[in-house]
Amino acid sequence: DTGVSQNPRHKITKRGQNVTFRCDPISEHNRLYWYRQTLGQGPEFLTYFQNEAQLEKSRLLSDRFSAERPKGSFSTLEIQRTEQGDSAMYLCASSLSITGNTIYFGEGSWLTVV
Amino acid sequence: GDSVTQMEGPVTLSEEAFLTINCTYTATGYPSLFWYVQYPGEGLQLLLKATKADDKGSNKGFEATYRKETTSFHLEKGSVQVSDSAVYFCALSVRSGGSNYKLTFGKGTLLTVNP
Repeated sequence: DTGVSQNPRHKITKRGQNVTFRCDPISEHNRLYWYRQTLGQGPEFLTYFQNEAQLEKSRLLSDRFSAERPKGSFSTLEIQRTEQGDSAMYLCASSLSITGNTIYFGEGSWLTVV
Repeated sequence: GDSVTQMEGPVTLSEEAFLTINCTYTATGYPSLFWYVQYPGEGLQLLLKATKADDKGSNKGFEATYRKETTSFHLEKGSVQVSDSAVYFCALSVRSGGSNYKLTFGKGTLLTVNP
């Protein structure tokens, strides 16, 4: 399967703990995105990388959230001191610059904070 | 700012019925328009897209036409199947922050097709 891969698929954590999600984009894609989706809502943009550079961050991305893409391939999204309001599905997506704006999503990582 | 408005669900149809899910948008620039589908417990799959006015996107029997004059991108299918049961999201992207094609989504429409 050469699609966008995310893990873990599901994570249950206690409030105050840190969690990290990993995303492996489609292999030749240089653009990588993180979105968040809560129940009954559409996904909301969090942040965007072109290669290893983080070029845009949403105001939704508080200082407890940090995303990296150290070698321009896989990316991690870390949430520190989790809160119940962080419970959501975190979606990773990727695209290739020469194909413009067609973005492909992974299956998502579900986070439940208890 | 940019926004997408979809018809509220849930939509319940019988197999072989005709489907329309309405979508309208507002955008600060010239957007590209998309429909994504999400099956239970899964991520989003691109269903179809259109990048300029009067373009028609189509895939798996679904169609949508980019109507700039009415700022709409309604999704249609002539004969739905049980396997089409899913949540459908309309989305737009406008170039922002340099090369970032950020997607703005509607809230989604749940479609249930009964045999």
